[in-house]
Amino acid sequence: EADIYQTPRYLVIGTGKKITLECSQTMGHDKMYWYQQDPGMELHLIHYSYGVNSTEKGDLSSESTVSRIRTEHFPLTLESARPSHTSQYLCASSESPGVYGYTFGSGTRLTVV
Amino acid sequence: TQLLEQSPQFLSIQEGENLTVYCNSSSVFSSLQWYRQEPGEGPVLLVTVVTGGEVKKLKRLTFQFGDARKDSSLHITAAQPGDTGLYLCAGAYSGGSNYKLTFGKGTLLTVNP
Repeated sequence: EADIYQTPRYLVIGTGKKITLECSQTMGHDKMYWYQQDPGMELHLIHYSYGVNSTEKGDLSSESTVSRIRTEHFPLTLESARPSHTSQYLCASSESPGVYGYTFGSGTRLTVV
Repeated sequence: TQLLEQSPQFLSIQEGENLTVYCNSSSVFSSLQWYRQEPGEGPVLLVTVVTGGEVKKLKRLTFQFGDARKDSSLHITAAQPGDTGLYLCAGAYSGGSNYKLTFGKGTLLTVNP
């Protein structure tokens, strides 16, 4: 049973629109992550958080922003979507990554037309 | 920047064949994990290995951690179409941050009926 939820699962949106991808977890994990992934390809870390009011940029430069106001919620926002943002976005959380690994959500498949 | 090299990148085999996927680094891991990702879903943790030389079995899957904790392998016996997916290794580096995992680029496995 998934304890980390991403909405929407699929989103098709026009260029220039503002979007927010939602990610929520019920496990009380302090650490949360956003990854970008093209189908069958490697994961690229774009943002992470080690707790409330803590956010950092990942290895892949991204025009998106994140916030962490509550432990369970880690939304990602694109102020002005472009076709180059078309991808799958995966959210993950962990209590202790080296010991328990990450729990991933099912992802949001974003298409910008 | 620590790197995890996975090989092969792509693998297409017939049902019933055996296969091995490799994950290598020049750095030492404090722990290493293997994930499987099915199309349209997030990765799911299969196993965590922490001790050099450790071997873990999960039904037809055998995971081995190198003695020096710099490499790992995943062996699948008598592959089935249900094994199709992207296999990712991920490591927490010894002496590094245990809050963030480093992922390999993945091995895309297709098992044909």
